[in-house]
This record gives sequence, C-alpha cells and structure tokens, in this order.
Amino acid sequence: AQSVTQLGSHVSVSEGALVLLRCNYSSSVPPYLFWYVQYPNQGLQLLLKYTSAATLVKGINGFEAEFKKSETSFHLTKPSAHMSDAAEYFCAVSDDGTSYGKLTFGQGTILTVHP
Amino acid sequence: SQTIHQWPATLVQPVGSPLSLECTVEGTSNPNLYWYRQAAGRGLQLLFYSVGIGQISSEVPQNLSASRPQDRQFILSSKKLLLSDSGFYLCAWSTRTGANQPQHFGDGTRLSIL
Repeated sequence: AQSVTQLGSHVSVSEGALVLLRCNYSSSVPPYLFWYVQYPNQGLQLLLKYTSAATLVKGINGFEAEFKKSETSFHLTKPSAHMSDAAEYFCAVSDDGTSYGKLTFGQGTILTVHP
Repeated sequence: SQTIHQWPATLVQPVGSPLSLECTVEGTSNPNLYWYRQAAGRGLQLLFYSVGIGQISSEVPQNLSASRPQDRQFILSSKKLLLSDSGFYLCAWSTRTGANQPQHFGDGTRLSIL
C-alpha cells in the first residue's frame, strides 16, 4: 500500500524567499506522484505530476519538484515566494497500477507568505 | 475542454435530515469518479469511487452512500445526517487510462450540520 508523509503542517516564508515543501512517499511499485494546491473554500488544483519521464518536473506558477528514488522524496520548490502562493499544498501518490486511479494524499502543508 | 460541476456550494442542514450532493463532468466519457471529505484541519478522506455506471466502491463505512446513475453524474447521499458529517465535500474525476493520470477536482460543497 502507498503512503505519503508531508513534513511540516505549516511552513512560513518571506516574500521573495525560497519555498520548500517536503514530501516523502512509500510505494511497492514505481510511483506516480502529484502536487496539488488548495486555496480557501476551493477545490484542489493540479500543480505538477511525475510520471517516470524527467525526474525534475516543472509545473504551473513557477513551482517545480524533483523525484529522488534513493530518498523516496518528491519535494516541491519555488525560487521566490509570492503573496499569492499562500495556500495549502498536498502531495499525492497513485495506487498500485489498477485502472481505478485512486490517490493517497498527504495531510497537507499550509504555506504562509509574509510581506 | 473538460469541466466538473458540484452543487450546491454551501449547505446547512439539521441533524437527521437527508442529503443529496451532485457532481457532473463535461467534456469526457467513461471517467473514474470520486467523492472525498475534508474535515477542518485534516487531509482528504476518500469516501467512494466509481469506474462505471452503477459501479460504486466504498472506502470507509459510514452514514453516506453514493450512486452513479449516468456516465458523468455522481451523487452523494444520506438518509439521516449526523453532526460528524459536517465538512467540505469534493468530487473529482480522472481518465480511465491508468495510474499516471491526475484527478481533477470540483469547487466543493461546504456542509454544515446543526
């Protein structure tokens, strides 16, 4: 069974600073990994996905994530935080390769950006 | 392009009343469909998923049920709501082409039980 651990339920950065949100996964098969962002009272929006092509994945809004198999990690980064990045971020891993497409989500990390 | 609609956006219901939340997807056929609940300060809990009309799988035993009467319609129901049913309910869809496909979410329904 897959699992996802997001280290740090809250991360606070200054505007213009580096954003680093941590995600570690556990999977018995080569994983597919996703990062989502959720703004208050909205659904989840896909930021980026890793599907075994390039290990460095670029997403929307200047975010990127690097898949590191040896560390079982898929950390999300952005070089320079913007006030509009304040939101909750979820890391997710796919299921065991059935056609059901189920995802296992981490508990989420709330990103606060200070001016 | 594909879109997903959920309604209502907010709902306030008394304990013991029935519930019906609807979700429809446009622009795609034969999607996988999902219902999640997000309680305050917690992650996403998968409640139900469906891979076809009339095919419903329940992830967590509870006071809720789901139905898929049409290919792109997914309904979440309850006969008698409990206080613990409060939360943010999200519907999502994915293409039925394997585990490398992301899920796409609706805007959610905020359910408050009084």
